[in-house]
Parts: sequence; C-alpha cells; structure tokens
Amino acid sequence: EPEVTQTPSHQVTQMGQEVILRCVPISNHLYFYWYRQILGQKVEFLVSFYNNEISEKSEIFDDQFSVERPDGSNFTLKIRSTKLEDSAMYFCASSRDRVETQYFGPGTRLLVL
Amino acid sequence: SQQGEEDPQALSIQEGENATMNCSYKTSINNLQWYRQNSGRGLVHLILIRSNEREKHSGRLRVTLDTSKKSSSLLITASRAADTASYFCATVGRGSTLGRLYFGRGTQLTVWP
Repeated sequence: EPEVTQTPSHQVTQMGQEVILRCVPISNHLYFYWYRQILGQKVEFLVSFYNNEISEKSEIFDDQFSVERPDGSNFTLKIRSTKLEDSAMYFCASSRDRVETQYFGPGTRLLVL
Repeated sequence: SQQGEEDPQALSIQEGENATMNCSYKTSINNLQWYRQNSGRGLVHLILIRSNEREKHSGRLRVTLDTSKKSSSLLITASRAADTASYFCATVGRGSTLGRLYFGRGTQLTVWP
C-alpha cells in the first residue's frame, strides 16, 4: 500500500540554523500538508499546498517557514532560522482531495538546542 | 475554535473489553476522521465519516456521528493489547478552512493483557 515517507526521522540543530524537512507524498495525491506536534500537545496545522502554491496557512506559519515542491515527488518544509520553540514532531500528509482522507508520514522529530 | 475534543483523556481496560471514546466539536464540518498514534510515532488513519453519514464500521471499529449534537464516538470491540495507543478525532471544516484538519488532544487508551 502506498505511504507517505519523511526524512530525516530525527534532526538536531542549533538555534538560528536552517533546517529542511523532506516528504514524499503518495504519488497520485494532489493536496499536501504540514502539521506539527509539540511534545504533549495537540497536532497543529501549519500549511496546505495545492497546484504548486500555498492554499492555506495557520498563524504559526510565519515568515520563517516556507514550503516547496521542487520536483514531481518531493515536498519540503524549510525553517530559516530555528528557535527553541520549533522543537516538535513535524508531520507531512497528503490527500487526493481536500475532503478525502489525509495520510500521514511517520514524522520528523526536530530538536533545536 | 473548531477543534475536536476527546473524552475521556485516558482509558484503561482489560483485553477483550470494549473501548468507547467520544469527540465533540464546535462548528459545521464536512467530515470527521479518527486517527491512532502509537507513542512517539506517526498518525495512522482509522476511519473517515462524512457529515451526511451516521455510522461506519471497519473491522472491530465502529464510528458514529451526531451532527445535531456535534459529537462522534469511536468504539473498539474486543480490544487487544496492541490497541494501546492515543486516539484522536480530527475535523475538516467547511468554507475557507476546507481541508485543514483540527485535532483534539486525544484519548490515551491502555489495554492490559
């Protein structure tokens, strides 16, 4: 069964450094999402992406964040200058349509020191 | 806020018993999805129920939706130790937030052998 994959599984970085989290969505899906989950808290929506542009973003998704689909398969989340509070599990998800099931990847655990 | 909220926060049962988890939400939805998360791992999709549906089944899972009460329940029958996980409901709203998932805090289910 097709699945969403994410790399790396873990990332440790210094505050102020840039990180790029990578995702490969399910191949016939058209909608892509990033969510994050700070330890012990709810899963929070960051951004949705469709037709090579952002379709919606949350208040969390400020100018430090960007997303890109650099080729036909990858979907990336970049954090330009990481902060301590960016430490979280980041999940990528994809769906065929906005009202269909969103399939999640295994997550990237980001630790900012 | 549209977020779903699960009840109870924690549930502890013996193998073979049934587990019922509830979810309440606040605004109109397009659909409601249930996910499972094993400790520190990714989100696994369980069931999607649309706003015009009242009940869905998948194996040992039964989900109900009452849009008049803005609530849903997830029943796991004949539970197993492997069902131990956190269970989240997530809603997809209508209008401008279509596609964005709003998660609750989850119910931590522990099934004792």
